[in-house]
Amino acid sequence: DVKVTQSSRYLVKRTGEKVFLECVQDMDHENMFWYRQDPGLGLRLIYFSYDVKMKEKGDIPEGYSVSREKKERFSLILESASTNQTSMYLCASSLGGTLEQPQHFGDGTRLSIL
Amino acid sequence: AQKITQTQPGMFVQEKEAVTLDCTYDTSDPSYGLFWYKQPSSGEMIFLIYQGSYDQQNATEGRYSLNFQKARKSANLVISASQLGDSAMYFCAMREPNSGYSTLTFGKGTMLLVSP
Repeated sequence: DVKVTQSSRYLVKRTGEKVFLECVQDMDHENMFWYRQDPGLGLRLIYFSYDVKMKEKGDIPEGYSVSREKKERFSLILESASTNQTSMYLCASSLGGTLEQPQHFGDGTRLSIL
Repeated sequence: AQKITQTQPGMFVQEKEAVTLDCTYDTSDPSYGLFWYKQPSSGEMIFLIYQGSYDQQNATEGRYSLNFQKARKSANLVISASQLGDSAMYFCAMREPNSGYSTLTFGKGTMLLVSP
């Protein structure tokens, strides 16, 4: 079974802090994704990566950056956390190149910015 | 325009009954894939079922089946014999080849509550 592990289930940080959310997958997937999920808005794509050191902006990249130094690890960085970044963050990974490959998700990180 | 529309914010069903969750989609690409995910209150997203636009038959996975009506651009999830553990948010998602790098577009979700 594919395993996607997010470093924290719950995280509380203060406004202005630099925040790192880590995600690791164990299935050698090319693609990795970061979403945020807010009530009534569904899942919105922040950034994704299709290879080591490669990244692409999703629908809502403002205020975020990402890092992918190794294939199995994809980090989301909040450069200067703000209260409107309080949300549920979901990491996912998938094989590339075909339509039918599902994305596999981690358990999510509930982030609160105070 | 929204790519994926789930018109039911919430649905109620009694245990052991069947329930249909609606999903309509919008694409001009002849080749696309449709997915359903379940998200229990604990938060993890669980992949349930996949339907390809060229698949001849409707997809089935255990108690889950997909009522795929291509001309209507709908891909409704049918859960047969509902169980209490089916209570969760359900998301419909689509992948188009031209979206790039295997991204998915998600609907806003439907909350399903199963009562005893």
